[in-house]
Amino acid sequence: NAGVTQTPKFQVLKTGQSMTLQCAQDMNHNSMYWYRQDPGMGLRLIYYSASEGTTDKGEVPNGYNVSRLNKREFSLRLESAAPSQTSVYFCASRDVNQPQHFGDGTRLSIL
Amino acid sequence: EDQVTQSPEALRLQEGESSSLNCSYTVSGLRGLFWYRQDPGKGPEFLFTLYSAGEEKEKERLKATLTKKESFLHITAPKPEDSATYLCAVQAAGSARQLTFGSGTQLTVLP
Repeated sequence: NAGVTQTPKFQVLKTGQSMTLQCAQDMNHNSMYWYRQDPGMGLRLIYYSASEGTTDKGEVPNGYNVSRLNKREFSLRLESAAPSQTSVYFCASRDVNQPQHFGDGTRLSIL
Repeated sequence: EDQVTQSPEALRLQEGESSSLNCSYTVSGLRGLFWYRQDPGKGPEFLFTLYSAGEEKEKERLKATLTKKESFLHITAPKPEDSATYLCAVQAAGSARQLTFGSGTQLTVLP
């Protein structure tokens, strides 16, 4: 079972460039999430989607946009990357009353 | 505001040396407390969910317990393969979808 798949695994950008992080799950989960993980700070929620067609802001949404393309896919877009967005990004999904399942992350460096 | 504090930040044990990791939390009504394991370069892997004070869950050498203010992850006779970062997260009663994570305890078990 693939579970939650994130692409790309690594990316280096220059300040001001844009890019989209992709996430797909094959578990037929309704809810999907985007987190960032920084040293010493734990995982922080950026955006989430409770179901297809809905998205909501999390704790740290500034500088990001999301799209819930269909039930399987949830993308995260950086319109104008900044060095402060250097981080490891994780996508997760869950079914009702079940724990979140995570992908293996995208390691993003912004120079 | 929900808060999760994990201690210690790092722990080194000899193989077979039992110990406990602590997760202290402040939340406006606990819906669930989650333990995850994270290996280097990987996403968090679900271990346990605890819902109410007094509850305990076990899996191999790991046992998680819960009180009204904190949770412990007890590791009995650890092996080198138990080396990982252990994350604790809480879900508040009024937040059906969002988790608040601690910054983790990095466990190293030496052979």
